[in-house]
Amino acid sequence: KQEVTQIPAALSVPEGENLVLNCSFTDSAIYNLQWFRQDPGKGLTSLLLIQSSQREQTSGRLNASLDKSSGRSTLYIAASQPGDSATYLCAYSGGSNYKLTFGKGTLLTVNP
Amino acid sequence: KAGVTQTPRYLIKTRGQQVTLSCSPISGHRSVSWYQQTPGQGLQFLFEYFSETQRNKGNFPGRFSGRQFSNSRSEMNVSTLELGDSALYLCASSPEGTSGRARQFFGPGTRLTVL
Repeated sequence: KQEVTQIPAALSVPEGENLVLNCSFTDSAIYNLQWFRQDPGKGLTSLLLIQSSQREQTSGRLNASLDKSSGRSTLYIAASQPGDSATYLCAYSGGSNYKLTFGKGTLLTVNP
Repeated sequence: KAGVTQTPRYLIKTRGQQVTLSCSPISGHRSVSWYQQTPGQGLQFLFEYFSETQRNKGNFPGRFSGRQFSNSRSEMNVSTLELGDSALYLCASSPEGTSGRARQFFGPGTRLTVL
C-alpha cells in the first residue's frame, strides 16, 4: 500500500523561527511531489512542485527538497510569520495512475 | 485566468438522498480529479477524468460516480447518502494529458453535510 507520513502532526513556533516539515513516502517510482497549504475550511494551495529528476525547489521563503532514494521530502520555511499558520500537506504522483497520494498534514501555528 | 470553481459551496442533505457536485476547471485544463477530505481519513482520491474519459478510480463504492463534459467541466454524484459521506469534496484541474507530471490546482471545495 502506498503511504505518505508527515511528521510532526502539529508544530507551534514563535514568529521569526526557521522550521522544517518532514514528509516520507513508500513509493520509489514517483513522478513528482507537491507541497500544499490548506487554511481552515478552504481548498488547497499548491506551494511547490518537485519533479522526480529534481532535488529541490525554492519559492520566496520556502524551500522543498526531494530525496527519492530515501523516500523523503522536506519543506523549509524561513523566518516564519503568523500568516504562515495553516496545515501543510505533501502529496506525490506516481505509478501508472493519475492521482495524488496525500499525507495527513502538519498543522503549523506561528505565534506573534 | 479564473481558478477552479466548485458549486455549490455548501450542501445539507439527509440520509438516502442523492447529490450532484459540479466543478469547472481552469480554462484550457483537460484533466479533472476529485478528492474526499475527512478528519479521520484525510484526503482520498475518488476519480480522475481526461477528455471525458475516466482514467482512474479510487477505492470508493459504486454510489460515487462522476462524468466529464466536452468543455472539461465535471460533475460527481453520490447516491443513497450515508452519514459517513459528510466531507469536504475537492476538485483539482491540471493541464497535463499524460503521466500526471503537472501541477494540480484545487478549487475551494464543496462542504457536504449528511444528516
